Amino acid sequence: EPEVTQTPSHQVTQMGQEVILRCVPISNHLYFYWYRQILGQKVEFLVSFYNNEISEKSEIFDDQFSVERPDGSNFTLKIRSTKLEDSAMYFCASRQLAGGSDTQYFGPGTRLTVL
Amino acid sequence: AQSVAQPEDQVNVAEGNPLTVKCTYSVSGNPYLFWYVQYPNRGLQFLLKYITGDNLVKGSYGFEAEFNKSQTSFHLKKPSALVSDSALYFCAVGASGGSYIPTFGRGTSLIVHP
Repeated sequence: EPEVTQTPSHQVTQMGQEVILRCVPISNHLYFYWYRQILGQKVEFLVSFYNNEISEKSEIFDDQFSVERPDGSNFTLKIRSTKLEDSAMYFCASRQLAGGSDTQYFGPGTRLTVL
Repeated sequence: AQSVAQPEDQVNVAEGNPLTVKCTYSVSGNPYLFWYVQYPNRGLQFLLKYITGDNLVKGSYGFEAEFNKSQTSFHLKKPSALVSDSALYFCAVGASGGSYIPTFGRGTSLIVHP
């Protein structure tokens, strides 16, 4: 069964450093998402992406964040200058269709630790 | 704005007993409701969803959920719990005519005791 994959599984970085989290969505999916989950808290939406542009973003997704689909398969989240509060699990998700009834499929996540 | 509440941080149940994980929601328009499960150090796995039709939805691993429009609830159930069901369960809601981005609850930790 096709699945969303993410690399790395765990990233440790120093405050102020740039990190890039990578995702490979399911191949016939057209809509891509990043979420984050701070330890013990709820899953929070960051950004959605379609047709090579951001379609929606949350308040969390400020100028420090960017997303890109550099080729036909990868979908990346970049954090330019990491802060301690960026420490969280970051999940990539994809869905085939835009409709609210379509299921999102999630990757296993990248645990980001900012020291 | 759409929202979802999972009133219990943790649910404890003995193996073999029925389990219920509660979820209530608030949306404008018709709700689309989802349940996901998260095992330790893993991503969210889709369990089931309600879009329209029969109020009782059956999903993976023997789970089912009942949509109750009058109570705006979508509780997750299983007739006989397994120790391997122990995990974090997330309810999510989207809506027709609204944002296509589902809103997630805080999650409920289900612990099934042998």
